Amino acid sequence: QVQLQESGPGLVKPSETLSLTCTVSGGSISTYYWSWIRQPPGKGLEWIGFIYYSGSTNYNPSLKSRATISVDTSKNQFSLKLSSVTAADTAVYYCARWVATSSSVDHWGQGTLVIVSS
Amino acid sequence: SYEVTQPPSVSVSPGQTASITCSGDKLGGKYACWYQQKPGQSPVLVIYKDNRRPSGIPERFSGSNSGNTATLTISGTQAMDEADYYCQTWDSNTVLFGGGTKLTVL
Repeated sequence: QVQLQESGPGLVKPSETLSLTCTVSGGSISTYYWSWIRQPPGKGLEWIGFIYYSGSTNYNPSLKSRATISVDTSKNQFSLKLSSVTAADTAVYYCARWVATSSSVDHWGQGTLVIVSS
Repeated sequence: SYEVTQPPSVSVSPGQTASITCSGDKLGGKYACWYQQKPGQSPVLVIYKDNRRPSGIPERFSGSNSGNTATLTISGTQAMDEADYYCQTWDSNTVLFGGGTKLTVL
């Protein structure tokens, strides 16, 4: 059974870069697409983007200028960097597995809360 | 840009049928899926490809998608089904979520 685990700082200062890593276990990262999704406290889900193991990416147009997703197949990990953060970027960040053939997410990490505050 | 819209809340009595809608222009021409999210937990996929249930999802969950509306139906709703439900589709290389519907079982 595939499992995903997010890791990274829980507090980031405004204008700095948010960095998170997702470690995939129970399966190889070298298939499927791998995604980041966030959820501000008390609000709905927002897709950030996804990456294929080959490195090809796709981003939410509203975040494309600030988001970068990368993959390290040797570590079975993929990562998110979000630059120039503001308080509006405070959210639970989920890493997830995207299934292109069904256009859906079939596995989610437990999520990690990132607060943007000075 | 494309959007999908859900009602903010739906209420249902235990044992009755709950229907949650998701509306978008010509949504029936795209795949729709549904996620259940309980407080403090990660979302769980309950319907994909409009009407297919992942392994482990009870048969009381079903889905349909036609015209401009996708619908999640929960038959014989149980107290444990009380949760937020999100529809999601894919358009122009973008993953789109609805705003979510809070299902109350009372």
